[in-house]
Amino acid sequence: DGGITQSPKYLFRKEGQNVTLSCEQNLNHDAMYWYRQDPGQGLRLIYYSQIVNDFQKGDIAEGYSVSREKKESFPLTVTSAQKNPTAFYLCASSKTGGLSYEQYFGPGTRLTVT
Amino acid sequence: EDKVVQSPLSLVVHEGDTVTLNCSYEVTNFRSLLWYKQEKKAPTFLFMLTSSGIEKKSGRLSSILDKKELFSILNITATQTGDSAIYLCAVAPPWTGTASKLTFGTGTRLQVTL
Repeated sequence: DGGITQSPKYLFRKEGQNVTLSCEQNLNHDAMYWYRQDPGQGLRLIYYSQIVNDFQKGDIAEGYSVSREKKESFPLTVTSAQKNPTAFYLCASSKTGGLSYEQYFGPGTRLTVT
Repeated sequence: EDKVVQSPLSLVVHEGDTVTLNCSYEVTNFRSLLWYKQEKKAPTFLFMLTSSGIEKKSGRLSSILDKKELFSILNITATQTGDSAIYLCAVAPPWTGTASKLTFGTGTRLQVTL
């Protein structure tokens, strides 16, 4: 079955620690995205990647970093510089050829930093 | 700054009722508007609207776009408890053939009770 997987589902960390969230897709999509979702707010774009070895900052990139070494994988690191890291993180992917805006989402990772 | 506003923020209805969810937008470059349903974790795609006045329909759900007044509505008729979810609206800029950078609204939380 094709889809997007994120791990872990729940993650707990102490303040000051960096943490990496995993995102893998087997949909053969070129583009991948990371969003953050807070209660009462919509999805906010952190980073996106159109192709391997290339990525761009989204609207709230400060305190986050990404890499795109493989087409299938787009891990997100939440660094200690992120002031409010506790949130629900969603990864998505989409095609780039043809007129398609539909993004396919993973099940998300809920990060709690204390 | 692009802005997408959804209303109401939350809604409780009885099974069998008809509901209308609203999405208005202020964006510099508009191409399409998308609706997603988020039940627990991963948002799933419902509709993409590009042309004004043309209704998209899927079962009990339908949606229409008004590009002159800059809004869209999502209608759900004969609601069921399985319709309980957060409904997200997003707008997409003109297609560049690469990543689709969506701007999401805050979502409408719908609860359908027996």
